Amino acid sequence: GQQLNQSPQSMFIQEGEDVSMNCTSSSIFNTWLWYKQDPGEGPVLLIALYKAGELTSNGRLTAQFGITRKDSFLNISASIPSDVGIYFCAGQGIGSSNTGKLIFGQGTTLQVKP
Amino acid sequence: DSGVTQTPKHLITATGQRVTLRCSPRSGDLSVYWYQQSLDQGLQFLIQYYNGEERAKGNILERFSAQQFPDLHSELNLSSLELGDSALYFCASSVEQSIGEQYFGPGTRLTVT
Repeated sequence: GQQLNQSPQSMFIQEGEDVSMNCTSSSIFNTWLWYKQDPGEGPVLLIALYKAGELTSNGRLTAQFGITRKDSFLNISASIPSDVGIYFCAGQGIGSSNTGKLIFGQGTTLQVKP
Repeated sequence: DSGVTQTPKHLITATGQRVTLRCSPRSGDLSVYWYQQSLDQGLQFLIQYYNGEERAKGNILERFSAQQFPDLHSELNLSSLELGDSALYFCASSVEQSIGEQYFGPGTRLTVT
């Protein structure tokens, strides 16, 4: 199925470092979402973005809806061990045929070394 | 805790069998979505129901079907199971049918042997 291009695939960082990951799509989206998934659990919604250029924060997390509406990034500042997990971007395309359908990126696996 | 519940947590069955996965959405949510997550395909949208009616379909196989009941809980039926159907199946819910903010349940891990 169709997927977003999410990068990087994995990151191994030191505790306290900042992290950045992004997603790009060949088509325009009207919604970008960022989720975190722990092993064996369901994805947990972190941030939702609805307007091009929108910049939204949730604690140490900041995400932006790209101006072109074809990309989004997620930054995590001052990482801590509990940030470990898989981060997914998800987008909803424009048009009635895309209503309700979320397309997910392949995920970024984050590991944090204490 | 997202407020979305799914049962069972784990399911092991044989090829050719039929299973039913159950989902209860968050209180107040009218829309229910089903996703399949496998290692090689990632998270794939299967189907959406809104207030009892089917609203959107993704890459759902003909062997799979779903419904949403008057109390808004939903069931995903998987029949003639194949080894390749082994995956995590997630249910998500949202208040409206068109807003993308979806909340996921803990999932059902299906193993077909």
